[in-house]
Amino acid sequence: DGGITQSPKYLFRKEGQNVTLSCEQNLNHDAMYWYRQDPGQGLRLIYYSQIVNDFQKGDIAEGYSVSREKKESFPLTVTSAQKNPTAFYLCASTQGFTDTQYFGPGTRLTVL
Amino acid sequence: AQKVTQAQTEISVVEKEDVTLDCVYETRDTTYYLFWYKQPPSGELVFLIRRNSFDEQNEISGRYSWNFQKSTSSFNFTITASQVVDSAVYFCALKGGSYIPTFGRGTSLIVHP
Repeated sequence: DGGITQSPKYLFRKEGQNVTLSCEQNLNHDAMYWYRQDPGQGLRLIYYSQIVNDFQKGDIAEGYSVSREKKESFPLTVTSAQKNPTAFYLCASTQGFTDTQYFGPGTRLTVL
Repeated sequence: AQKVTQAQTEISVVEKEDVTLDCVYETRDTTYYLFWYKQPPSGELVFLIRRNSFDEQNEISGRYSWNFQKSTSSFNFTITASQVVDSAVYFCALKGGSYIPTFGRGTSLIVHP
């Protein structure tokens, strides 16, 4: 089945540690995205990538980093510079800019 | 700049009631796309519908229907005979001439048995 997978589903991190969230898609989509969602809030764009080896900052990129070495994969690293990283993180992908955006199941990150 | 407004933060209904979720948008693009997503308690956003700006036909899918009106820049979503399983947060989104969609803040729908 085609789709987007995110792992892990739940992640706990100690303050001061970097942590990487995985996002993989087998839809052959060109563009991939990372969003952050806080309780009762909408979606805020962290980073997006339209093509392999290229990515752009979204609205809240500070404290986060990404890579896009393969078309199928777009991992997100939450660094120790992110002051309030506890949130729900959603990965999405789309074929082209007119196309529908599809989402993964999300990763819930908690900083202890 | 694009904007999507979902003025209803939370709606509470009793099962079998009809409910309409409002979505008003702003864009300068002449070609654009509108979307609705459902986010159940599990968290994943589930795609419901996509509409382009040239197609104002209303759409019905089972108990779901969508009313797109360019004259009022609205793309409202109606659930007929609501069920408890419809309880979720619903997001409206707009995508113009770029890869980046603009999402509304979402409407939380609570359906009581």
